[in-house]
Amino acid sequence: DTGVSQNPRHKITKRGQNVTFRCDPISEHNRLYWYRQTLGQGPEFLTYFQNEAQLEKSRLLSDRFSAERPKGSFSTLEIQRTEQGDSAMYLCASSLRVQGTEAFFGQGTRLTVV
Amino acid sequence: AQSVTQLDSHVSVSEGTPVLLRCNYSSSYSPSLFWYVQHPNKGLQLLLKYTSAATLVKGINGFEAEFKKSETSFHLTKPSAHMSDAAEYFCVVSAPGDMRFGAGTRLTVKP
Repeated sequence: DTGVSQNPRHKITKRGQNVTFRCDPISEHNRLYWYRQTLGQGPEFLTYFQNEAQLEKSRLLSDRFSAERPKGSFSTLEIQRTEQGDSAMYLCASSLRVQGTEAFFGQGTRLTVV
Repeated sequence: AQSVTQLDSHVSVSEGTPVLLRCNYSSSYSPSLFWYVQHPNKGLQLLLKYTSAATLVKGINGFEAEFKKSETSFHLTKPSAHMSDAAEYFCVVSAPGDMRFGAGTRLTVKP
């Protein structure tokens, strides 16, 4: 296992288009997180899955954003009708369902909306 | 609800001098606390974690942090900075399903 994998690494899209990102967590990890990071800021929480259940969603996650984790394995994050303000690094992390265990992060997907 | 405040957005030290990166947290739980480091164009890497065992936690690359419940602090220290320590550092507070980052502290190390 090579850790958390995110694809694509970079995405450039025109405003108004839809984009989808994929995250493959570490195989035995049942928790999966999505974060957004803009330049000079810390990662901001977007949403959290425990297995296939989406248990928490941030107010940052407008109705243009949707995330899924079918079968509790990989996850996708879709942004519909992208806006320039969506330009950011989107980070995925996974962890075990044990209090105090650390999360492992992927390299992220950098989205640029032009 | 949880939150993290990193008290300095930028810290600059000379190589070989001590490093102090300050973090205060707020949590309704007995939280777990972490420090992560992010080098340019690299992913987030765990430096160390506190999970209610010893209050002084040792991490990688000579870093350590002390959990002080009375002060709600979890400051990161290193006795002697190295050029390779230059990076962005994030303090993180975690409860089940809720992991919150501070805004980050950029560490610059001068030769």
